[in-house]
Amino acid sequence: GAVVSQHPSWVICKSGTSVKIECRSLDFQATTMFWYRQFPKQSLMLMATSNEGSKATYEQGVEKDKFLINHASLTLSTLTVTSAHPEDSSFYICSAPPTGWAEQYFGPGTRLTVT
Amino acid sequence: ELKVEQNPLFLSMQEGKNYTIYCNYSTTSDRLYWYRQDPGKSLESLFVLLSNGAVKQEGRLMASLDTKARLSTLHITAAVHDLSATYFCAVDIPPGTASKLTFGTGTRLQVTL
Repeated sequence: GAVVSQHPSWVICKSGTSVKIECRSLDFQATTMFWYRQFPKQSLMLMATSNEGSKATYEQGVEKDKFLINHASLTLSTLTVTSAHPEDSSFYICSAPPTGWAEQYFGPGTRLTVT
Repeated sequence: ELKVEQNPLFLSMQEGKNYTIYCNYSTTSDRLYWYRQDPGKSLESLFVLLSNGAVKQEGRLMASLDTKARLSTLHITAAVHDLSATYFCAVDIPPGTASKLTFGTGTRLQVTL
């Protein structure tokens, strides 16, 4: 089956610093990737849609200047949390559907803790 | 705005018992997904339901979709402890390739011995 990886799996950073999270499709190409955020004991909330070669589309209420998304190739999307604050601490999960497929494959997630 | 609701939110059941988790959604869609999440982990795909009346089974789990009622069910038969996890349904709007998912609230299942 299709595999999506994320790096790092967990990261601790200090308030005010920036953190980059990578999402890679290992054995397929993905024109589109999605970034979700999950707070403890809550559901997943879509943050943004990452489109290869064009700007990301952000959901309402998500600050595009704070959560920078770059989809530079058909197998890599990155999410950069800029000037992180403790309230940004969360579990970030990416997903990718192989181009032309309906089903999405989820990465293993990145746990971000901002101190 | 699409809303996806699950009930119950929490379910404690004994091994060997049967139970059903319900997923209601507010907008027309003929595609629904079920996922399992273990604590601290990402999502594991369980079922992809692509049309009205679709029914899929894997082991002790069976999922169905009624698009007219905007309802999907996840039925658990003779529960075992290994099924303890949180289960999410998700709907993609608009249906099509590479559509974004809206997740249900989740149902935390605890199977006791």
